[in-house]
Amino acid sequence: AQSVAQPEDQVNVAEGNPLTVKCTYSVSGNPYLFWYVQYPNRGLQFLLKYITGDNLVKGSYGFEAEFNKSQTSFHLKKPSALVSDSALYFCAVRDKDNYGQNFVFGPGTRLSVLP
Amino acid sequence: KAGVTQTPRYLIKTRGQQVTLSCSPISGHRSVSWYQQTPGQGLQFLFEYFSETQRNKGNFPGRFSGRQFSNSRSEMNVSTLELGDSALYLCASRFTGYTDTQYFGPGTRLTVL
Repeated sequence: AQSVAQPEDQVNVAEGNPLTVKCTYSVSGNPYLFWYVQYPNRGLQFLLKYITGDNLVKGSYGFEAEFNKSQTSFHLKKPSALVSDSALYFCAVRDKDNYGQNFVFGPGTRLSVLP
Repeated sequence: KAGVTQTPRYLIKTRGQQVTLSCSPISGHRSVSWYQQTPGQGLQFLFEYFSETQRNKGNFPGRFSGRQFSNSRSEMNVSTLELGDSALYLCASRFTGYTDTQYFGPGTRLTVL
């Protein structure tokens, strides 16, 4: 069965500092991986995805994520955090080798960027 | 291109009533999925529809049902509402491919009193 873990409920970072939001996954086959962000009273907004190819994926708003197969991780990063990045972040996985399986989301990590 | 739209945005119902939520996907998208989001359980998958057929179903009771129309618009119905059904219900659409990104609507906030 697929699963996603986001080991930190909350991440606090000062504005201008680099940020990392962690994600590890478990699938029986190979993964498709996604990051979404949710602002208060809004739906989820797509940030980036890994399908194949380069392990470093660049996405919207200066975010990037690195796929690490050996560590089954897909951590979200940004070199310089903004206060406006404060939101709830979700990692999601889909099993490439089990067509028909739906997306599985992690529990979410709340990011607070302090001015 | 317009995004995923959901109506209504807010809904208050009482226990025992039923409710229907609506979702209009992005133009050209044929897959529509529904999720329930609660503080305690996070994001839970309800079901996915593709070309008017349910393709996937999550672990929810039969009180939760859905359908998709020929124009890809989808509705979700919850019968005999319970207090625990209070949640944000999110709809997401994607094109057709397995690698295609899901795009989410703003959600419908359902409160059951």
